[in-house]
Amino acid sequence: ETGVTQSPTHLIKTRGQQVTLRCSSQSGHNTVSWYQQALGQGPQFIFQYYREEENGRGNFPPRFSGLQFPNYSSELNVNALELDDSALYLCASSRVGVTEAFFGQGTRLTVV
Amino acid sequence: QQQVKQSPQSLIVQKGGISIINCAYENTAFDYFPWYQQFPGKGPALLIAIRPDVSEKKEGRFTISFNKSAKQFSLHIMDSQPGDSATYFCAAWEATGANNLFFGTGTRLTVIP
Repeated sequence: ETGVTQSPTHLIKTRGQQVTLRCSSQSGHNTVSWYQQALGQGPQFIFQYYREEENGRGNFPPRFSGLQFPNYSSELNVNALELDDSALYLCASSRVGVTEAFFGQGTRLTVV
Repeated sequence: QQQVKQSPQSLIVQKGGISIINCAYENTAFDYFPWYQQFPGKGPALLIAIRPDVSEKKEGRFTISFNKSAKQFSLHIMDSQPGDSATYFCAAWEATGANNLFFGTGTRLTVIP
């Protein structure tokens, strides 16, 4: 176990709705990254947060947004859900300047 | 555009055999290359990683071979066991970029008894 916990583990939403996913980072880690993993694909980088600010972003639209809190936990928010947003959403924590990233078990989001 | 290309897509190996998964990249700014193991319903778990200043790294039954000039790296699993059956992802990290990992498309390994 990595110490990175995500909630909820599964979620079903309707197209057009909004969703919030949560992540608690591993103790001692101050950086949180979010990835989207479509079925049968590798994870794709959404964005990273460090010191409560976005510190890098992948090729995802603005309806994907995030927050990092003083305790280094994080939220991923997705607005106006689309069917293609159905995926496993992974949170990874690390320490700034250290390349090892440790993933949580993910949240399986299904958009119907 | 896939920054890291991985092959094969699937692999079936007999117990005790050697599993070999290959990856290639183009971006010479990548400076850290981890491999992740993922079981169904779980997040990826860091298995082993290498930096481009070494050509090989071994941890137990797992070995990474790295060819900087060819921009290729591979994972070798010696004495493969049924418990190794999982999906394996290679990845690459660019420290000067957006601080993210670029993943390959994954290899589903099945080790048959």
